[in-house]
Amino acid sequence: SQQGEEDPQALSIQEGENATMNCSYKTSINNLQWYRQNSGRGLVHLILIRSNEREKHSGRLRVTLDTSKKSSSLLITASRAADTASYFCATDVHYGNNRLAFGKGNQVVVIP
Amino acid sequence: GAVVSQHPSWVICKSGTSVKIECRSLDFQATTMFWYRQFPKQSLMLMATSNEGSKATYEQGVEKDKFLINHASLTLSTLTVTSAHPEDSSFYICSAGRGGTDNSPLHFGNGTRLTVT
Repeated sequence: SQQGEEDPQALSIQEGENATMNCSYKTSINNLQWYRQNSGRGLVHLILIRSNEREKHSGRLRVTLDTSKKSSSLLITASRAADTASYFCATDVHYGNNRLAFGKGNQVVVIP
Repeated sequence: GAVVSQHPSWVICKSGTSVKIECRSLDFQATTMFWYRQFPKQSLMLMATSNEGSKATYEQGVEKDKFLINHASLTLSTLTVTSAHPEDSSFYICSAGRGGTDNSPLHFGNGTRLTVT
């Protein structure tokens, strides 16, 4: 089955710097989503990019999607200590039923 | 505020007992909810899709008799871990979408940390 997979990265950056993380997947998708998880909590949806979109912005977030390479990136600009969390990409397993396959996740630590 | 409520947030139980976890959609009806399991520092593993008024759909490798799912109403799904063993200790998370057929973003509960002693 297809699966979003991030490069196994743990980022540690200074506040104000940008954080970039990547995700790759294996099969065709309808859309790709990024979620954030604070330690011991549920996930919070950040942004959804459809397969016919190449780039999308939401506040300090910028997501790119390259369907030819089956990859996506999430950029957080001007990071804040509150951005410290794990970030997961997720792809739809089948169109229209919300069954999502999550990648391994990137742990980001923003040092004040 | 939270749109999906999960209860309890943590539970400790003895080996051999059963534990029920509830997942409620607070301000929308959810014909479908999803249950995941997450090990420390790992990703979410989809366990099953909970379907209102019908049987749950389990992912490959997930024991349906071990993890009983009931979705009796449009706002409530429950996951019961039966005859729990220490290896069932994990973080269980539910999610629900507001609907539509275009994979609209999911809303997640805050998870339940299960510890089986």
